[in-house]
Amino acid sequence: EAQVTQNPRYLITVTGKKLTVTCSQNMNHEYMSWYRQDPGLGLRQIYYSMNVEVTDKGDVPEGYKVSRKEKRNFPLILESPSPNQTSLYFCASMKPGGHQPQHFGDGTRLSIL
Amino acid sequence: QKEVEQDPGPLSVPEGAIVSLNCTYSNSAFQYFMWYRQYSRKGPELLMYTYSSGNKEDGRFTAQVDKSSKYISLFIRDSQPSDSATYLCALPQGGSEKLVFGKGMKLTVNP
Repeated sequence: EAQVTQNPRYLITVTGKKLTVTCSQNMNHEYMSWYRQDPGLGLRQIYYSMNVEVTDKGDVPEGYKVSRKEKRNFPLILESPSPNQTSLYFCASMKPGGHQPQHFGDGTRLSIL
Repeated sequence: QKEVEQDPGPLSVPEGAIVSLNCTYSNSAFQYFMWYRQYSRKGPELLMYTYSSGNKEDGRFTAQVDKSSKYISLFIRDSQPSDSATYLCALPQGGSEKLVFGKGMKLTVNP
């Protein structure tokens, strides 16, 4: 089954404790992206990757890091999480081309205390 | 002015109603127009997309684009409780992979 898998699905942690949210896709897609979804603000792109070793900032990259060492994996790293990073996070992947559908994972709900 | 504006609702309708969901956009360069549906505790999934002005039908769903007014709509006929979800319009920026999303409209269809 074609899917984007995120882990963990839920996490409660404390300020300053480094964490990584993993994302893996089995569709051999070149493009991958991370979003955060907040009430009243909608979906906002954090980082994206056009292919292995090619990453770039989205609209809200501050406080986040990513890496793309393998085509299927695109982890999101919070080096020193803060309460304003409490949010619902989605990973997505797609084939190249603006009209292609983005395939989303089921989300990771992060609470930073 | 934001690139894509969508009334966030929420919207509650009785089963069988016709639902109209709308977005406006500011940049006439947008070429593709998409609607994503997001069920509770799930990621968004592509529902429909259209390239040109006019209507596109898929079962009970119709996507409509008016490029002259920069206005896109999604109509749901004979709405069902299973249609209860958040609907997001999404426009690829400059034909690229970057999507500009509306804020999403939460729809509840009551049996």
